[in-house]
Amino acid sequence: QVQLQESGPGLVKPSETLSLTCTVSGGSISSYYWSWIRQPPGKGLEWIGYISYSGSTKYNPSLRSRVTMSVDTSKNHFSLMLTSVTAADTAVYYCARFGHYYFDQWGQGALVTVSS
Amino acid sequence: QTVVTQEPSFSVSPGGTVTLTCGLSSGSVSTNYYPSWYQQTPGQAPRTLIYNTDRRSSGVPDRFSGSILGSKAALTITGAQADDESDYYCVLYMNSGIYVLGTGTKVTVL
Repeated sequence: QVQLQESGPGLVKPSETLSLTCTVSGGSISSYYWSWIRQPPGKGLEWIGYISYSGSTKYNPSLRSRVTMSVDTSKNHFSLMLTSVTAADTAVYYCARFGHYYFDQWGQGALVTVSS
Repeated sequence: QTVVTQEPSFSVSPGGTVTLTCGLSSGSVSTNYYPSWYQQTPGQAPRTLIYNTDRRSSGVPDRFSGSILGSKAALTITGAQADDESDYYCVLYMNSGIYVLGTGTKVTVL
C-alpha cells in the first residue's frame, strides 16, 4: 500500500514562499500523477494542481500565478511552492495520488500557518 | 469560474437513506465529468469513496453508491450508520483539464 507524507515548515511569514514536499513510500512515483489539495481551517477543500512523474503540470487558475510544482523521481518525492503568501493561504495542505480522474491515495496533511 | 454546488447539510436517521447531490453553477453533470466522492471526519484526511461516477473504492461498504440523477452527480448512503457522520465532498473533472471540488455536505446521523 503506497503511503504519502507531507513535510515542510509549519510557519511561514507573509509575502514569503511556502514550500512543502510529499514523500511517497511503498511504491514508485513513476507512472502516476500527483496532486496538492488544501483546506483552510473550518472550510472546504481546494484543488491546487497536479504534476506527472515526467514533470508536466496543471494548476488551479486561481493560484496559477503563484504555484510551482516539481518532481524528483530519484528521491521518490514531489514538491509544492507557493509564493507571496498571505493569511488566506493558511491551511492544511494534502498531497494525493491520482487514479483515473480521481484522488485515490491521500497524505495525512500538514498545517501551514502564515503569520509574522 | 465554475462553482460545484452541494447541499450544506443533511440529517439522516440510523438505518435511513440519504442522497447527496453535486451540481454545476452552469450546466449539467454527466459521466464525462468523472465525478468522485470523498468522506472526511474532523481532523482526518479525506477518504475516497466513489470514483468515475459509480465505482466504489477498495474497502468501501456497499451501502455507499454513486450515480447521475437528472443533471447532478449523486451519492446515496443506504442504511446509514453512526460512523457515516462526516463531511462529504464531490470532485468534478472539467474539460479544461482542471479539477473543481464541491462545497461539501455535512451529514448528521441522529
